[in-house]
Amino acid sequence: DAGVIQSPRHEVTEMGQEVTLRCKPISGHDYLFWYRQTMMRGLELLIYFNNNVPIDDSGMPEDRFSAKMPNASFSTLKIQPSEPRDSAVYFCASGRTAYSPLHFGNGTRLTVT
Amino acid sequence: DQQVKQNSPSLSVQEGRISILNCDYTNSMFDYFLWYKKYPAEGPTFLISISSIKDKNEDGRFTVFLNKSAKHLSLHIVPSQPGDSAVYFCAASLISGTYKYIFGTGTRLKVLA
Repeated sequence: DAGVIQSPRHEVTEMGQEVTLRCKPISGHDYLFWYRQTMMRGLELLIYFNNNVPIDDSGMPEDRFSAKMPNASFSTLKIQPSEPRDSAVYFCASGRTAYSPLHFGNGTRLTVT
Repeated sequence: DQQVKQNSPSLSVQEGRISILNCDYTNSMFDYFLWYKKYPAEGPTFLISISSIKDKNEDGRFTVFLNKSAKHLSLHIVPSQPGDSAVYFCAASLISGTYKYIFGTGTRLKVLA
């Protein structure tokens, strides 16, 4: 089991550019989550999917953020246009059932200058 | 509004002694709680959980206590080891509702050799 795989590990971009973060969940996990970690707010849930369908996106900060899950093995989180306040570590996590602990990837550290 | 709070950003403990990490929550509807451990440059990993029907759950050196009336949970690590040095996050969820884990801001534990 390879675990949850995120890419890239680090992303540095300029304000106004589009950023795409990628995630491959653990095979067989029906739930996928995107979290953002900051010092002030800890781990914030942005959006989660069940069987590739977005269930709750109430944590997405604004329309600049979008997430997709075209199939069971791939998800993207896109920020367009990016702003310096988006700088954070973004984690993807997957879970087998609604009662399972989450398995996290190693995160993408995003820096927007 | 932080529904899950970890008021101590850091804690230092001598090796072999007990580490106690605390977490408070505001939503009395939460019915499932978890602790995660996070090392630098890695994603959080699941440590231990407790359902609201219990007040204690033990796994080796780790014990989680839940006080529903006080809306408080704690993680005890006995004995503490240098390898336990990490950031610890508590999380709460509404199993009976949406599958949505709310995380605290984390406590950095340092175990001194």
